[in-house]
Amino acid sequence: AQSVTQLDSQVPVFEEAPVELRCNYSSSVSVYLFWYVQYPNQGLQLLLKYLSGSTLVESINGFEAEFNKSQTSFHLRKPSVHISDTAEYFCAVSKTGFQKLVFGTGTRLLVSP
Amino acid sequence: DTAVSQTPKYLVTQMGNDKSIKCEQNLGHDTMYWYKQDSKKFLKIMFSYNNKELIINETVPNRFSPKSPDKAHLNLHINSLELGDSAVYFCASSHPSGNPSSGELFFGEGSRLTVL
Repeated sequence: AQSVTQLDSQVPVFEEAPVELRCNYSSSVSVYLFWYVQYPNQGLQLLLKYLSGSTLVESINGFEAEFNKSQTSFHLRKPSVHISDTAEYFCAVSKTGFQKLVFGTGTRLLVSP
Repeated sequence: DTAVSQTPKYLVTQMGNDKSIKCEQNLGHDTMYWYKQDSKKFLKIMFSYNNKELIINETVPNRFSPKSPDKAHLNLHINSLELGDSAVYFCASSHPSGNPSSGELFFGEGSRLTVL
């Protein structure tokens, strides 16, 4: 079975500073990896995903994540955060070709002025 | 147009009551899900239906019964509500397994259930 570990429950950061949200996964088979974002009182939205190909994937709002198979990681990074990036970020994994997503426990990103 | 819509958004009820949450998606997806998010924000899958057929049924009490009248709807009925059922319940939909977009879930805004 797959599992996801997000070690940081909360990451405080100042506006315009860089940030990295860590995600490690465990699986004995090939996986798809995802980052979802949840703004207050809303559902989750897909931020970016790795299915195959280039190990570096990017979102439209400046986030990127790199799939590292040897370290079983999929860390999320942004070089300069905005106040509006304050949200809960969930890393998720699924077996390739399967829809069952297993989520991590989430990391709350708190951006302050 | 809301892609995945759930009703009601908020539900407050007494222990022992029976309640339902409805979900509809207009994305043309074949697969729908129910996820439960507890007070610590942990998200866990409960059920998944593909074209009205149950394909994932995690360890969920029998008091929870999903119903899919057609592939655009997946409702959740809960009998004999308990305090521990208090949570936010999210409906989601996706393309079926094998589709290149498989695994990308589209979530509703959630239904916050409070059991008193």
